[in-house]
Amino acid sequence: GENVEQHPSTLSVQEGDSAVIKCTYSDSASNYFPWYKQELGKRPQLIIDIRSNVGEKKDQRIAVTLNKTAKHFSLHITETQPEDSAVYFCAASIGGATNKLIFGTGTLLAVQP
Amino acid sequence: SQTIHQWPATLVQPVGSPLSLECTVEGTSNPNLYWYRQAAGRGLQLLFYSVGIGQISSEVPQNLSASRPQDRQFILSSKKLLLSDSGFYLCAWTPPGTGRGYEQYFGPGTRLTVT
Repeated sequence: GENVEQHPSTLSVQEGDSAVIKCTYSDSASNYFPWYKQELGKRPQLIIDIRSNVGEKKDQRIAVTLNKTAKHFSLHITETQPEDSAVYFCAASIGGATNKLIFGTGTLLAVQP
Repeated sequence: SQTIHQWPATLVQPVGSPLSLECTVEGTSNPNLYWYRQAAGRGLQLLFYSVGIGQISSEVPQNLSASRPQDRQFILSSKKLLLSDSGFYLCAWTPPGTGRGYEQYFGPGTRLTVT
C-alpha cells in the first residue's frame, strides 16, 4: 500500500543552526505534500505545502523542496529558534478523488538555546 | 473565516462504556471530514473520512464507527470502549473544490483515556 517514510525520528540542533527533515513517498500519483508542526498537547498546524508542479517553495525561514523523480521531499528550517521545537509531520496525497493524506511518522525537533 | 470545534476536550471513560465525540465545522459548506487517532508519542492514523452527508469510509477495522448526520457535523462513536482506544482524537476538514481539496485543517482534539 501507500507509504511515507520520514527521517530522522529525532533531531537536536543548536539555536541558529539549520534543520532538515526528509520524507519519501511511494504513490507516484501523489501531487500534494504538506508539512505540519505539532507542539506538545496541541493540534497539528499546517506550516507549508508544495504541489507537484513546483520544485521548491519558501516562506521566511522555512522551505520545502520536492524531487518527483526520486519521490523525495524535504523541510528546511534556517536560523532555528527555541520556539521551533516541536514534532514535524510530512504527508503526501493519495492518488484519486478521496483527498486523503498519508502521514509520515514524525520528527521530534529540539532546538537547544 | 472557517473554524472547527471538537468536544469534549478531555474524557476519561471505563472499559466497556460507550463513546460519542463530536466535530463541527463553521464557515464552509460541503467539506470533506476526517477522524484521526494519535496514540501517545505516535503518528496520525486515519480512522474514517466522509465526502458528504451519510457517506462514511472506514480505513481501519475496529470497534469504532462514524456518522455524518449534517453537512458540517461528524461524530465518532463506540458501543464498548477498549483500553487500546485511548489516544488523542483529531477531526480535520478540507475545503470543497478542486483547488484546495487536499489542505487539511485540524480541530483542537479530544484526549480520551480509557481506564
